[in-house]
Amino acid sequence: DAGVTQSPTHLIKTRGQQVTLRCSPKSGHDTVSWYQQALGQGPQFIFQYYEEEERQRGNFPDRFSGHQFPNYSSELNVNALLLGDSALYLCASSFTGAASYEQYFGPGTRLTVT
Amino acid sequence: AQSVAQPEDQVNVAEGNPLTVKCTYSVSGNPYLFWYVQYPNRGLQFLLKYITGDNLVKGSYGFEAEFNKSQTSFHLKKPSALVSDSALYFCAVRYRFSGNTPLVFGKGTRLSVIA
Repeated sequence: DAGVTQSPTHLIKTRGQQVTLRCSPKSGHDTVSWYQQALGQGPQFIFQYYEEEERQRGNFPDRFSGHQFPNYSSELNVNALLLGDSALYLCASSFTGAASYEQYFGPGTRLTVT
Repeated sequence: AQSVAQPEDQVNVAEGNPLTVKCTYSVSGNPYLFWYVQYPNRGLQFLLKYITGDNLVKGSYGFEAEFNKSQTSFHLKKPSALVSDSALYFCAVRYRFSGNTPLVFGKGTRLSVIA
């Protein structure tokens, strides 16, 4: 049973560019959440997708957007990249029918903005 | 608002000694509590969770945590530390009846086990 997978592993972009990160949830999971982990910090919630809609959003600007596909996979898009967007981006999947909504994390995508 | 505090940035312990990584939380009502571990250049790996029931929760790799409602704490413990336990540890909380809401994480504690 494959766990949560993310691609690419590493990415280097220039300020002002746009980037798309991808996530495939654990088998049987229907909800995908994205987190940003800056260096030396804990993960910060960006947004969550369920039934192909954004359900919850953290304190991130509109430059951060996403999408969920019918197969539950998800994309995170960041426009007009800033140096401060450099971070590890983590995808977490969960099953809405589980009482504790336990989240399983992928290995992350390391984004470097130069 | 939910929040988690991990008061120690770094914990050093000798191999074979017991270890404790501290976590306190603030949430309205009863919480779901989690511990995750992160190895260098890796994502978060689930260690254990408290949902309800016994206050002592046992998890992966010999780790356990004790839920203390009166002190709003959920400290991570292990009776005998291994060098391979050296990693970054995160405590996280969610309000029990808030649905599939995002986890709120502490800033992390770096554990260093010295041989």
